[in-house]
Amino acid sequence: GEDVEQSLFLSVREGDSSVINCTYTDSSSTYLYWYKQEPGAGLQLLTYIFSNMDMKQDQRLTVLLNKKDKHLSLRIADTQTGDSAIYFCAEIITSGTYKYIFGTGTRLKVLA
Amino acid sequence: DSGVTQTPKHLITATGQRVTLRCSPRSGDLSVYWYQQSLDQGLQFLIQYYNGEERAKGNILERFSAQQFPDLHSELNLSSLELGDSALYFCASSEGTGGLLEQYFGPGTRLTVT
Repeated sequence: GEDVEQSLFLSVREGDSSVINCTYTDSSSTYLYWYKQEPGAGLQLLTYIFSNMDMKQDQRLTVLLNKKDKHLSLRIADTQTGDSAIYFCAEIITSGTYKYIFGTGTRLKVLA
Repeated sequence: DSGVTQTPKHLITATGQRVTLRCSPRSGDLSVYWYQQSLDQGLQFLIQYYNGEERAKGNILERFSAQQFPDLHSELNLSSLELGDSALYFCASSEGTGGLLEQYFGPGTRLTVT
């Protein structure tokens, strides 16, 4: 099946690190993405990782991929109030026709 | 501002009706994607068009249809509307199709079916 699961809520204090987790079920995924949705806005691509990579770092963002466990995580260092948003992981399955599967989204609340 | 525009911003209509949502992609983008975001279903990919042709299909109901016109704008038609169709409908666009994509999302159209 093609399911991407995330925990629904995460609350952290400003300055702490946030870790948002995602599990996926389709091992044929070539690319995995993290998107951010701010209130009242569309989704914005944050970062992505190729399935042959274990880790990718991009400024305050670190993406970790464990292909064996089909687990993806997004770590935000020094979390700021502006990071409060919904974060979606997504996979684009490219075997046959393309399918874009998004997770349920994790609502991150940053407390001042 | 992503460069993707969607109209209208809000739409309220009754069950059984038909509506058309419109999307203009970023300049130069050939692909348009439609998504539905609802509280119970999350974000669902509906359909993708590339340069006027249907490219990929997701969980799009038979009551829904879409097309992409020669000027690359796209319309999503929703008919025989039901209460459960109330959702945010997003359009996204990208330059190409397949491989690594960066989809730019529009601000969405909020549809309320009463």
